[in-house]
Amino acid sequence: DTGVSQDPRHKITKRGQNVTFRCDPISEHNRLYWYRQTLGQGPEFLTYFQNEAQLEKSRLLSDRFSAERPKGSFSTLEIQRTEQGDSAMYLCASSLVVATLGEQFFGPGTRLTVL
Amino acid sequence: AQRVTQPEKLLSVFKGAPVELKCNYSYSGSPELFWYVQYSRQRLQLLLRHISRESIKGFTADLNKGETSFHLKKPFAQEEDSAMYYCALRTNAGKSTFGDGTTLTVKP
Repeated sequence: DTGVSQDPRHKITKRGQNVTFRCDPISEHNRLYWYRQTLGQGPEFLTYFQNEAQLEKSRLLSDRFSAERPKGSFSTLEIQRTEQGDSAMYLCASSLVVATLGEQFFGPGTRLTVL
Repeated sequence: AQRVTQPEKLLSVFKGAPVELKCNYSYSGSPELFWYVQYSRQRLQLLLRHISRESIKGFTADLNKGETSFHLKKPFAQEEDSAMYYCALRTNAGKSTFGDGTTLTVKP
């Protein structure tokens, strides 16, 4: 296990197209998070899962965004009808639910460019 | 709603000088604060967390609830400390709110 992996690393698409990203967390981690990061800003929370349950979704997230974690392992993030404003780095992170810790391990990110 | 503010976008110091990266937060509950670091061409990784009261790579950070601050400090900066630093607040629900980061440059 080499840590959190994300695929693809880069995606260029045309406005209006749908895109799907995949995240594979560290195998024993039961929490998985999605963040979006634009230039000059920190990661912005999108949603997170505990096992296969989606526990929270940011109110900033439009209905064009959907995430799944069907078997409690890998997760996918889909963006429908992409817009230029969706261009960003999409980060995935995973962690264990431990009472006093909470370190999130991040993947390398998927950079999305919407033309 | 929770918020994390890092007032300095850029910070530049000379090697051997002390460095302090500021972080202020707002949160109505009991916060868990973290510092993450991103070196050039590497992924974001945890540097330290307030609950552990640890010193990592010479860095320390003290949670000041009265001033709602969690500043990161190092007495003698090294060139390899040059990186982007993010302060983050984790809520009881598990999600983290990040500041916009401070780019630290340590000059030789």
